[in-house]
Amino acid sequence: KAGVTQTPRYLIKTRGQQVTLSCSPISGHRSVSWYQQTPGQGLQFLFEYFSETQRNKGNFPGRFSGRQFSNSRSEMNVSTLELGDSALYLCASSAGDAGGNYGYTFGSGTRLTVV
Amino acid sequence: AQTVTQSQPEMSVQEAETVTLSCTYDTSESDYYLFWYKQPPSRQMILVIRQEAYKQQNATENRFSVNFQKAAKSFSLKISDSQLGDAAMYFCAYRSGLAYNNNDMRFGAGTRLTVKP
Repeated sequence: KAGVTQTPRYLIKTRGQQVTLSCSPISGHRSVSWYQQTPGQGLQFLFEYFSETQRNKGNFPGRFSGRQFSNSRSEMNVSTLELGDSALYLCASSAGDAGGNYGYTFGSGTRLTVV
Repeated sequence: AQTVTQSQPEMSVQEAETVTLSCTYDTSESDYYLFWYKQPPSRQMILVIRQEAYKQQNATENRFSVNFQKAAKSFSLKISDSQLGDAAMYFCAYRSGLAYNNNDMRFGAGTRLTVKP
């Protein structure tokens, strides 16, 4: 069974640009959550999608957005990149409504560097 | 809001010895789930162990066990017979049992574990 796949693994962007990150959950998982990980702030919740609907959203500016497709794949987009957006972006999937209660399965993350 | 605190930024242990990582959390809920995740240098977060708040029995997974003290809101992880492969960042996490709303997983700041040969 394939794990959670995040692409790309590494990304370098310039301030002001926008970026799209992709996440393919484990087959059959309908919930996808996104986290931003930085040395200073640790793991911070961005948003959660379930069956194409955003169910929860963290405390991030509107420059951060996401969506989920009918096949459960998810994308997150960051517009007008700032230096502070440099981070490891982690995607996690879980099965069903309460699947997160059994824990998430994480991808290996996308390392975004903004220069 | 629920918060998770890991007061030990770094810990070290000798190979084959036992180490305990601390975690406390703050919540007013009675239904929740607690987790320990391991993040090695490969970056992928791996679920180590899970505890349901309404179960008094402490969870165990091979060499990993927890000491869950619900009244004290404490959830420590014990690693027995430490191995070099246990070296990683360990995160304690909390998830509310309430459906849907604001039940994202909350993580502590992490404890970096070094295993000495």
